[in-house]
Amino acid sequence: DAGVIQSPRHEVTEMGQEVTLRCKPISGHNSLFWYRQTMMRGLELLIYFNNNVPIDDSGMPEDRFSAKMPNASFSTLKIQPSEPRDSAVYFCASSPPRGQGPDTQYFGPGTRLTVL
Amino acid sequence: AQSVTQPDIHITVSEGASLELRCNYSYGATPYLFWYVQSPGQGLQLLLKYFSGDTLVQGIKGFEAEFKRSQSSFNLRKPSVHWSDAAEYFCAVGTLTGANNLFFGTGTRLTVIP
Repeated sequence: DAGVIQSPRHEVTEMGQEVTLRCKPISGHNSLFWYRQTMMRGLELLIYFNNNVPIDDSGMPEDRFSAKMPNASFSTLKIQPSEPRDSAVYFCASSPPRGQGPDTQYFGPGTRLTVL
Repeated sequence: AQSVTQPDIHITVSEGASLELRCNYSYGATPYLFWYVQSPGQGLQLLLKYFSGDTLVQGIKGFEAEFKRSQSSFNLRKPSVHWSDAAEYFCAVGTLTGANNLFFGTGTRLTVIP
């Protein structure tokens, strides 16, 4: 089985440009999570979806950030306009239908974003 | 609210030595506890998890962790560390009810010296 797929793996852009990160969760998983990791702030949950519906977006830093999940097999995280402080590694994770409690999250390899 | 504390930011051990990474959680009911490992340039990989039952859980790569309710701890251990264990280790807690997300600690970076 393929794991969580993220694209691109690396992105270098200039300040003010729009950036779109993509994620394909594991087939059959119904929860999807977007995280951001930096040296200063560690691993931060930005938003998560359950059955394609955004459940908690309180971690989204600003209105410049938006996320969508149009179907069970695809999600995007968009930053418009991008700023140098957005430079980070962005991870997508998915988890299977919840049983009695939260289940294991399976992480993608991440997208390393550099905003110049 | 639930939270996780990993008091050690960085630990250095010699290859072949034993390892214990500390994790303390804050949650009023029985937590769901996880340990993840992140190798350089990689995503997070699950090492082990505790939901219920035996408080000593075995994971991959020879790791184990023990849930101690009285101490609100879930420490990760390995009897003999290999150079390939050098990585960042994250403890996480989830809850039975409510949201499906996990709360991650700040991580412990493990350095292994020859």
